Amino acid sequence: DVKVTQSSRYLVKRTGEKVFLECVQDMDHENMFWYRQDPGLGLRLIYFSYDVKMKEKGDIPEGYSVSREKKERFSLILESASTNQTSMYLCASSLGHGGATTNEKLFFGSGTQLSVL
Amino acid sequence: AQSVSQHNHHVILSEAASLELGCNYSYGGTVNLFWYVQYPGQHLQLLLKYFSGDPLVKGIKGFEAEFIKSKFSFNLRKPSVQWSDTAEYFCAVNARASKIIFGSGTRLSIRP
Repeated sequence: DVKVTQSSRYLVKRTGEKVFLECVQDMDHENMFWYRQDPGLGLRLIYFSYDVKMKEKGDIPEGYSVSREKKERFSLILESASTNQTSMYLCASSLGHGGATTNEKLFFGSGTQLSVL
Repeated sequence: AQSVSQHNHHVILSEAASLELGCNYSYGGTVNLFWYVQYPGQHLQLLLKYFSGDPLVKGIKGFEAEFIKSKFSFNLRKPSVQWSDTAEYFCAVNARASKIIFGSGTRLSIRP
């Protein structure tokens, strides 16, 4: 079964810190995604990547950047953390070449609950 | 732009009751439709999906969903819920050549 692993389950950071969230998948998937999940708002797409070194903005990219240097790893970076970035962050991956337009199943990690104080 | 609406934010049922969770989307063309579930403390996982063909789709754990194109709906149903169905349920839609959009989620609580 596909495994999507997020490096931290809980993270507490201070305003202005640079924050790295790491995600690794073990099934050679082409597509990887970062979402944030907030109560009442569901999942919102921050960034996605359909190939190594390729990235595209999602619906709420402001304040975030990403890095995909290797196929299995997709990192989300908060350049200068702010309190409104306190949220649950979910990484996901899918198999094919459709990018974020894929109709394929998404495999999710367990999430990182980030608190910015 | 496409959007997804889940009007029920929190549903509370007793065991053995029937379940229907609403999902409506706004897009006039061909769509792919999904229901994902997140059990307490677990990661999101796919419950069922519709791409084409029979509009009545059966998923895992006795769930099914019906795509009604004229109503832009993809409601999730289960004839008899169990306590273990307590979870948050997300409807998701993507149109051709467009990103997957998730609804705001419905929290389902089952009274034993």
